[in-house]
Amino acid sequence: GAVVSQHPSRVICKSGTSVKIECRSLDFQATTMFWYRQFPKKSLMLMATSNEGSKATYEQGVEKDKFLINHASLTLSTLTVTSAHPEDSSFYICSARNPREGWVYGYTFGSGTRLTVV
Amino acid sequence: GEDVEQSLFLSVREGDSSVINCTYTDSSSTYLYWYKQEPGAGLQLLTYIFSNMDMKQDQRLTVLLNKKDKHLSLRIADTQTGDSAIYFCAETPNTDKLIFGTGTRLQVFP
Repeated sequence: GAVVSQHPSRVICKSGTSVKIECRSLDFQATTMFWYRQFPKKSLMLMATSNEGSKATYEQGVEKDKFLINHASLTLSTLTVTSAHPEDSSFYICSARNPREGWVYGYTFGSGTRLTVV
Repeated sequence: GEDVEQSLFLSVREGDSSVINCTYTDSSSTYLYWYKQEPGAGLQLLTYIFSNMDMKQDQRLTVLLNKKDKHLSLRIADTQTGDSAIYFCAETPNTDKLIFGTGTRLQVFP
């Protein structure tokens, strides 16, 4: 089946530094990728939708300059948390949409990245 | 609106049935989904239901959909300890964005 690789799985960084998270579709071309943030005891919040070769579409309340998304190819999207602060600590999950799989099975999720900012 | 609500916790004894409920506000979704998340992991599609269906059964899983009340439920029969996880309902309201509920943490005890 479709596989999405998300890297790193865990990262600890110092406050003020930037962290890049990669999301790769391994065996299909993902026209669209999504980035989610998971808060403790809360939902998966959609942060942005990323389309290959174009600017990401951010959800309301998500800072574009803080969370930089690049979708340079059909198999890779990156999320960079810039000037990270402790409140950015969270679990980030990417999802890739395979347009050949339809609306039910077309979403494949990465295994997530646990970001801790100290 | 795109708000999807679930209760936060559910605790059941092994062997009993679990029922996880979800309410949503956007009635335009063609499909509604249930995803499972194991600790520290991504999401796995468990099952789905087409919006013109009332019920769908898939082995131990039964999905009920009440469109009038915008209510979706997932019943897990003979719940096992391996079913302990967070369960999310999700919808795609006229876009290709998956919008998730708040998630229900299911704990199964012996």
